[in-house]
Amino acid sequence: GQNIDQPTEMTATEGAIVQINCTYQTSGFNGLFWYQQHAGEAPTFLSYNVLDGLEEKGRFSSFLSRSKGYSYLLLKELQMKDSASYLCAVLDSNYQLIWGAGTKLIIKP
Amino acid sequence: DGGITQSPKYLFRKEGQNVTLSCEQNLNHDAMYWYRQDPGQGLRLIYYSQIVNDFQKGDIAEGYSVSREKKESFPLTVTSAQKNPTAFYLCASSQIRTDTDTQYFGPGTRLTVL
Repeated sequence: GQNIDQPTEMTATEGAIVQINCTYQTSGFNGLFWYQQHAGEAPTFLSYNVLDGLEEKGRFSSFLSRSKGYSYLLLKELQMKDSASYLCAVLDSNYQLIWGAGTKLIIKP
Repeated sequence: DGGITQSPKYLFRKEGQNVTLSCEQNLNHDAMYWYRQDPGQGLRLIYYSQIVNDFQKGDIAEGYSVSREKKESFPLTVTSAQKNPTAFYLCASSQIRTDTDTQYFGPGTRLTVL
């Protein structure tokens, strides 16, 4: 079966750095997405990786290792507004998105 | 402003009633999707459509129906056959499905069946 694993919840301090991991086992791979979702709201797109390596976009960076079936989202200079769930999703060989359950990130002052 | 709208944001229905959730997009996207989100679970695909008058079942289509009569609109009907309809329903769209195109989401409808 297809599977996406992420930690259920993480806590970090304002101004710090946090890394949210995602491991996947899917039938084929056409890229990996990270979305941010505030409680009760729609997911919003953060990043897309299809090649190995690090993609940096402001305070957020996303890393992919296809051989290890692994990705992480790195958030720097954490702000209170970064408190949200972070969803990892893999595009499989049928171009269907397979979603992880999400990681709830709690930012403390 | 381009985007995806879903209405209403909160919906309450009695058990045994059918209910239709609306989804409209003005992004000129070809593909549209319906997902269901439950606590502690990833998004699950209910139905998707790549072009007008065509749609395909997702992983959990039982108890749901859709139509795609217009490119902009993709309403979802939750029927009385759906055993656990209470959930957060998200509609999304993308330029084209058979590509690595990003999906953009509407604000969601939280359905509660009493």
